[in-house]
Amino acid sequence: SQQGEEDPQALSIQEGENATMNCSYKTSINNLQWYRQNSGRGLVHLILIRSNEREKHSGRLRVTLDTSKKSSSLLITASRAADTASYFCATDLGTASKLTFGTGTRLQVTL
Amino acid sequence: DTAVSQTPKYLVTQMGNDKSIKCEQNLGHDTMYWYKQDSKKFLKIMFSYNNKELIINETVPNRFSPKSPDKAHLNLHINSLELGDSAVYFCASSRTLAGGLETQYFGPGTRLLVL
Repeated sequence: SQQGEEDPQALSIQEGENATMNCSYKTSINNLQWYRQNSGRGLVHLILIRSNEREKHSGRLRVTLDTSKKSSSLLITASRAADTASYFCATDLGTASKLTFGTGTRLQVTL
Repeated sequence: DTAVSQTPKYLVTQMGNDKSIKCEQNLGHDTMYWYKQDSKKFLKIMFSYNNKELIINETVPNRFSPKSPDKAHLNLHINSLELGDSAVYFCASSRTLAGGLETQYFGPGTRLLVL
């Protein structure tokens, strides 16, 4: 069964605004990762957050993890047109080297 | 230099044909993967190999057969192609087999269309 569900499915904002996307999962995890996929390209790793971490930053990215709610959020601040892409969360099940990807959020940043 | 490369980039073929997709990584990674991404962008793991050994084999029809001649290569052969096989197939690699701690590096994808 699918582990991660992203919300919203699609998001359209203007350049300079912040974008927040959420990921919910069903079972306990050890780690959660976020990936970006530009149209027609492969996925690119953005950030990893461990289950004992609550927040992590990388440049304009801020990721939070709430294990009690089984959810994570990805915040992109001061968005740019180049941030237009699909964003996926990916979780591990802790027992095998397998990432289970969510359904993705399609972000459109307009000028 | 491309870290994870796949060939071909596009593949259009008739139902019933057999086709192969090749993947190579020059990152020195031990672990490689095949994913299938459907038209709704849902990405699902198919196989993973670690040092040429099959680790994960999800419930994939046995028409799909991966082969890893060495740890830098993981090829995917598909027999008797069906319409439902149309998708984008991604190869990926990671440094080690270490669960969700490892970053996965993805290839550009192979767009397969079965007519």
